Amino acid sequence: QKEVEQDPGPLSVPEGAIVSLNCTYSNSAFQYFMWYRQYSRKGPELLMYTYSSGNKEDGRFTAQVDKSSKYISLFIRDSQPSDSATYLCAMSAGNSGGYQKVTFGIGTKLQVIP
Amino acid sequence: DAGITQSPRHKVTETGTPVTLRCHQTENHRYMYWYRQDPGHGLRLIHYSYGVKDTDKGEVSDGYSVSRSKTEDFLLTLESATSSQTSVYFCATENMPVGPGRNTEAFFGQGTRLTVV
Repeated sequence: QKEVEQDPGPLSVPEGAIVSLNCTYSNSAFQYFMWYRQYSRKGPELLMYTYSSGNKEDGRFTAQVDKSSKYISLFIRDSQPSDSATYLCAMSAGNSGGYQKVTFGIGTKLQVIP
Repeated sequence: DAGITQSPRHKVTETGTPVTLRCHQTENHRYMYWYRQDPGHGLRLIHYSYGVKDTDKGEVSDGYSVSRSKTEDFLLTLESATSSQTSVYFCATENMPVGPGRNTEAFFGQGTRLTVV
């Protein structure tokens, strides 16, 4: 079993729909949770970052973390064709010193249809 | 866009030949990373550097070596390329890894698409 599970999709939605993207994980030490957006043939870019449980909102994007269920979500409201990309979840236990491994999901490919 | 440049962007090479990929940053970030991205796998760390001449292995380091002689440059070398190393390679940088009191601030390059035939 992978440490982080993410449905690869593809997920197709009409423009304006609310999109829900999800990841589950098995490592209870994870406490830093990230969502990256990756356009085709480009590098990932950080979209949202959340520490521990709770919600974080940034414009049309909301990240949720439920540590008790080991489940994280990214919601996109009023989805736009420009949101069409692959969304990667990533998590880390963090470290007070140097590098701590970041584990990535395989990514969910999203297509927003005009 | 963050100042991270990868070169080359595309390369086709033959099995058994050495290959060097270059990552150049203008952000003055302390940490630099090399990842590979393959279908069905998340990004997997090959090697990372936490300073000039300070490097360490990631989870898929076999067959790869790295060097960092300057803050801005991080080189990834495939000593003798194999078909299993056909992949898309990403360089990333950040000033400090995510941790207590520190947000993540990792920036990725555009990627190098390597094909080993």
